[in-house]
Amino acid sequence: AQTVTQSQPEMSVQEAETVTLSCTYDTSENNYYLFWYKQPPSRQMILVIRQEAYKQQNATENRFSVNFQKAAKSFSLKISDSQLGDTAMYFCAFMKLATSGTYKYIFGTGTRLKVLA
Amino acid sequence: IAGITQAPTSQILAAGRRMTLRCTQDMRHNAMYWYRQDLGLGLRLIHYSNTAGTTGKGEVPDGYSVSRANTDDFPLTLASAVPSQTSVYFCASSRTGSGANVLTFGAGSRLTVL
Repeated sequence: AQTVTQSQPEMSVQEAETVTLSCTYDTSENNYYLFWYKQPPSRQMILVIRQEAYKQQNATENRFSVNFQKAAKSFSLKISDSQLGDTAMYFCAFMKLATSGTYKYIFGTGTRLKVLA
Repeated sequence: IAGITQAPTSQILAAGRRMTLRCTQDMRHNAMYWYRQDLGLGLRLIHYSNTAGTTGKGEVPDGYSVSRANTDDFPLTLASAVPSQTSVYFCASSRTGSGANVLTFGAGSRLTVL
């Protein structure tokens, strides 16, 4: 069974600094997708970035980038030039197509990030 | 604005009462999901539906039921609520087919069972 582990329950970073959130996963699959979702205090879950496992190039979205290490099953999120609005809970998620035809998503337990002024 | 609407936003409920959480999407996504979010446990899948007329059990289905009469609506029912069902419930949807099918989430429903 697939599992997703976020080993950092809470982190803080100074505004304008860089922070990296870690995520590891366990799977025997070769084709899958990985995501980072952000949940601000408003509670709305928002997609931050996605990565296809078959792509070696790390995904980047503005100030957000990932370090995808397929062999190590690691998928960390780097936030550059942190802003106060980045304060949120961040969830790492794994997705694959299950044999039942369902798209199976597994979420980590989340990392609460606080950006300090 | 395209998206998912959940209702109610928040509800306090007496144990033993029946409760239905509503979820409607306007994106014509085939797949819909219900998750519960609990501190330290992340998001856990309760039930899902790949397409209208079909449903399936997720990781924590006991005490919950769903229906999918049409593409847009996916209500979640607690037949007889218990305090352990106190949680924040998220409805989500995604398209199906090849590729990275991103989940779109509703704003959540906070349910407190006393």
